[in-house]
Amino acid sequence: AQSVTQLGSHVSVSEGALVLLRCNYSSSVPPYLFWYVQYPNQGLQLLLKYTTGATLVKGINGFEAEFKKSETSFHLTKPSAHMSDAAEYFCAVSADGNNRLAFGKGNQVVVIP
Amino acid sequence: EAGVAQSPRYKIIEKRQSVAFWCNPISGHATLYWYQQILGQGPKLLIQFQNNGVVDDSQLPKDRFSAERLKGVDSTLKIQPAKLEDSAVYLCASSTRTGVNTGELFFGEGSRLTVL
Repeated sequence: AQSVTQLGSHVSVSEGALVLLRCNYSSSVPPYLFWYVQYPNQGLQLLLKYTTGATLVKGINGFEAEFKKSETSFHLTKPSAHMSDAAEYFCAVSADGNNRLAFGKGNQVVVIP
Repeated sequence: EAGVAQSPRYKIIEKRQSVAFWCNPISGHATLYWYQQILGQGPKLLIQFQNNGVVDDSQLPKDRFSAERLKGVDSTLKIQPAKLEDSAVYLCASSTRTGVNTGELFFGEGSRLTVL
């Protein structure tokens, strides 16, 4: 079965600083990897995804993530944090072609002015 | 385009009572999912429907949870009897197709259940 690990439930970042959220996965087959974001009082929405091809993927709002098979990682980054980035971020993995996602515990991002 | 609708948004019940949650997916989405999100954890898949058939319910506690998707559109998730550990947010999501790993699920805002 596939799974993801996200460390550090709360992440504080200064406005304008780098945002880095770590995600490591476990999968017995080549995985499909996703980052979802949940803004306050809203449903989860897809931020970006890796399926096949280019290992550096870009998403909405300036976020990007890089798939590194050798490190079993899919870390999320944004060069410069904005106040509007305050949200909860979830890494997810799927390996069976049926959209059955296994989510990590999430990172609550707080942006400090 | 209307999003995934869920109701009620909040529900407080006592243990051993029953509760039902309703979900209306995005029009035309064949696949519907129910996830359970306990505080401090990520969402966990309970059941996946393709049209009105069940694709996966391996993590649904069938002794107390049931779900149906009549006519392949709306869905209802029921808990009877509820336990304290069922306190969670119940998320409904839908997607356009299964079998192709698009990964793009559209989520509703969730129904928050508190069991006292």
